Amino acid sequence: KAGVTQTPRYLIKTRGQQVTLSCSPISGHRSVSWYQQTPGQGLQFLFEYFSETQRNKGNFPGRFSGRQFSNSRSEMNVSTLELGDSALYLCASRRDNSYNEQFFGPGTRLTVL
Amino acid sequence: GQQLNQSPQSMFIQEGEDVSMNCTSSSIFNTWLWYKQDPGEGPVLLIALYKAGELTSNGRLTAQFGITRKDSFLNISASIPSDVGIYFCAGRNGFSRYSGGGADGLTFGKGTHLIIQP
Repeated sequence: KAGVTQTPRYLIKTRGQQVTLSCSPISGHRSVSWYQQTPGQGLQFLFEYFSETQRNKGNFPGRFSGRQFSNSRSEMNVSTLELGDSALYLCASRRDNSYNEQFFGPGTRLTVL
Repeated sequence: GQQLNQSPQSMFIQEGEDVSMNCTSSSIFNTWLWYKQDPGEGPVLLIALYKAGELTSNGRLTAQFGITRKDSFLNISASIPSDVGIYFCAGRNGFSRYSGGGADGLTFGKGTHLIIQP
């Protein structure tokens, strides 16, 4: 069974640009969560999607948004990039009713110059 | 939002030594989780704890859910080179809305970097 895949793995952008990251969950998983990981703040939850609906949201500004498609694939978008948005963005999927066993992808390393 | 204090931040140990790390919180959690992250990879779940006082093992790893529900520890016995990585604790309290956490309130500690010298 293929794991969670994320594309691209690495991305370099400049301030003010926007970026879209993609996540394909494990087959059969309908829940997808996104996290931001930085050395200073650690792993911070962005949002969770289930069946194309945002079900849970962390404490991030509105520049961070996401969506989920009918095939459970998810994208997150960051608009008007700031230097502080440089981070590893991780996606995780899980089975229905398996709240704790989240399977993480390898992440997308975003660098904002 | 909720915060987890994880310590130590890093550990330099000799191969074969035992390792101990812990997490504390000002809030009560209903679930404690321990993850390991290798370079270039996402975190992988090691142990999940669901009841206060619970002690659970996974091979050389042992974790406990504190009686107060505000802390947890992870022990690794007889460390080996592949234990190198970053270990994260995470807590879940079941409050899912704007709690600063993940699915149903999952909040992560900042990690313990484990470095093993052969």
